[in-house]
Amino acid sequence: NAGVTQTPKFQVLKTGQSMTLQCAQDMNHEYMSWYRQDPGMGLRLIHYSVGAGITDQGEVPNGYNVSRSTTEDFPLRLLSAAPSQTSVYFCASSYMTPKNTEAFFGQGTRLTVV
Amino acid sequence: TQLLEQSPQFLSIQEGENLTVYCNSSSVFSSLQWYRQEPGEGPVLLVTVVTGGEVKKLKRLTFQFGDARKDSSLHITAAQPGDTGLYLCAGGGGNKLVFGAGTILRVKS
Repeated sequence: NAGVTQTPKFQVLKTGQSMTLQCAQDMNHEYMSWYRQDPGMGLRLIHYSVGAGITDQGEVPNGYNVSRSTTEDFPLRLLSAAPSQTSVYFCASSYMTPKNTEAFFGQGTRLTVV
Repeated sequence: TQLLEQSPQFLSIQEGENLTVYCNSSSVFSSLQWYRQEPGEGPVLLVTVVTGGEVKKLKRLTFQFGDARKDSSLHITAAQPGDTGLYLCAGGGGNKLVFGAGTILRVKS
């Protein structure tokens, strides 16, 4: 039972480079989200998806793109990396019932932009 | 924008002591969750509270949801070194969580 799998675990980019952070879940969850975690700021929502083909912006979407072609995968694309995007990125998936909104998180991708 | 404020930001205590972490907001949340995160890992859910005034216990951890559903607390009794970690409160739906900044807990043996 893999849960939520993120790759890569670590990445160093030069300013201006682009890359895709991968996220896959095997729990058949409809909801998937991307967060970034910075010291002293908790986790902030970047983009989210409520199902295949449907995505929307979160609190800090600038500089990032997402797509959701399948239920399982939700990649996050950095278009032109900037030092301000140095952070730890977490992908999460969830199955929502009226009273159960548990989110399952991947292990994170630590990104450094130099 | 809904905001969650956690206090304290950092807590360093001796094994066996009790502690309380607070999570406060000016907004009403349909539910609040508490997560625990260890270094190099993603957050893991501890509990979800959904009813105002609700109290949930998980071994030595007691979680409370305020009557007005704007605040929550986490109380740990007789803390152990294994309790060390980052504790996060979060509100909102499963795919659009709003997180507090977190409380770093260090329990020394």
